[in-house]
Amino acid sequence: NAGVTQTPKFRVLKTGQSMTLLCAQDMNHEYMYWYRQDPGMGLRLIHYSVGEGTTAKGEVPDGYNVSRLKKQNFLLGLESAAPSQTSVYFCASSYSLAGGETQYFGPGTRLLVL
Amino acid sequence: GESVGLHLPTLSVQEGDNSIINCAYSNSASDYFIWYKQESGKGPQFIIDIRSNMDKRQGQRVTVLLNKTVKHLSLQIAATQPGDSAVYFCAETVSGNTGKLIFGQGTTLQVKP
Repeated sequence: NAGVTQTPKFRVLKTGQSMTLLCAQDMNHEYMYWYRQDPGMGLRLIHYSVGEGTTAKGEVPDGYNVSRLKKQNFLLGLESAAPSQTSVYFCASSYSLAGGETQYFGPGTRLLVL
Repeated sequence: GESVGLHLPTLSVQEGDNSIINCAYSNSASDYFIWYKQESGKGPQFIIDIRSNMDKRQGQRVTVLLNKTVKHLSLQIAATQPGDSAVYFCAETVSGNTGKLIFGQGTTLQVKP
């Protein structure tokens, strides 16, 4: 099993550009999550999904959109990137919602917005 | 409000010594806690978890202690090794907040040879 994989590993964007981060998991997990990690602030939940075709907002959803068209994939989109979105983005998945099963994380995508 | 925090931002220990990393939480309704290890340039990795109906849980070289009275969580690492050098995060589930883990800011563990 590859576990949770993320594409790309690193990206540089100019302000206003758009991009999509791809997360894939091969563990047949129902639940998937997108976090951002900033220095000294730990991990903050952006959006999450409890199943194919469903998404929900997390703690910091503004400026991001997500889609879960297939169970194994969870996409994070930035329609108009801003320097404040410079961060490391982590995707995670779990068999069930947090509280019953742990979340498994991908290796991260480092994004720099100029 | 609810929060999860770690008592020390950096902990430096000698190789072979035991390490104790602490975490405080404020929401007494939280019922599930996880410790993660994050090495430089990598995603968080699950170490051990504990439910609120337990006080202690042991893994391989790691022990998690939960004190619900003072809302305190700790991670003990026995015989700390250089490979244990990383940032350690505690996380909690918040009752009623479906699917959301609340993470602390992390403690950096430095192991001196």
